[in-house]
Amino acid sequence: QVQLQESGPGLVKPSQTLSLTCTVSGGSITSDYYYWTWIRQHPGKGLEWIGYMYYSGSTYYNPSLKSRVTISVDTSKNQFSLRLSSVTAADTAVYYCAVGATMSIWFDPWGQGTLVTVSS
Amino acid sequence: QSVLTQPPSVSGAPGQRATISCTGSTSNIGAGYDVHWYQQLPGTAPKLLIYGNKNRPSGVPDRVSGSKSGTSASLAITGLQAEDEADYYCQSYDSSLSGVVFGGGTKLTVL
Repeated sequence: QVQLQESGPGLVKPSQTLSLTCTVSGGSITSDYYYWTWIRQHPGKGLEWIGYMYYSGSTYYNPSLKSRVTISVDTSKNQFSLRLSSVTAADTAVYYCAVGATMSIWFDPWGQGTLVTVSS
Repeated sequence: QSVLTQPPSVSGAPGQRATISCTGSTSNIGAGYDVHWYQQLPGTAPKLLIYGNKNRPSGVPDRVSGSKSGTSASLAITGLQAEDEADYYCQSYDSSLSGVVFGGGTKLTVL
């Protein structure tokens, strides 16, 4: 059973880069069946897909965030990461990593989520 | 404003049936893309409830069901219990946006 755990700073200053890591246990990040995914949820709001990556290198990003987002995979550590540049207060949210099924792109399981606050 | 439209809230008495709708368009649900549903209990991460329009993952009770028709999908929960009180989200893929889309979420209250 794959399990995910997000880690990274809980506070980021405006204009800086938000960096988060998701550690995968119970499965290999080199699997052919999964998209490694980031999703966020603004406080009290709904879910927003950020993007996902296939371990071979193909990436797919939300068009509204594409210019600022990078998702990468570290196969040696069985981790994948999110970088979001030039953050503003509007990027304050709970960030979730999740496993996306390549067949029809549903997400299961999810990490517990980590709150990132953008503030000076 | 979400690409997939859900009612902000629904409610039902214990033992009753609740239905949550998810309305899309011809570039997502109507284009044949599958709909998936998630349950988010307060303070926790979303959990997959239905995948591929109508399939239940292991551990999800059979009083939970999903359906899809045309440009819409529905989630039904029968025999409502207090533990069903949560936020529910639908999700699909949109070809115009070239990406994953979620509904705005529906808060289910068990009266």
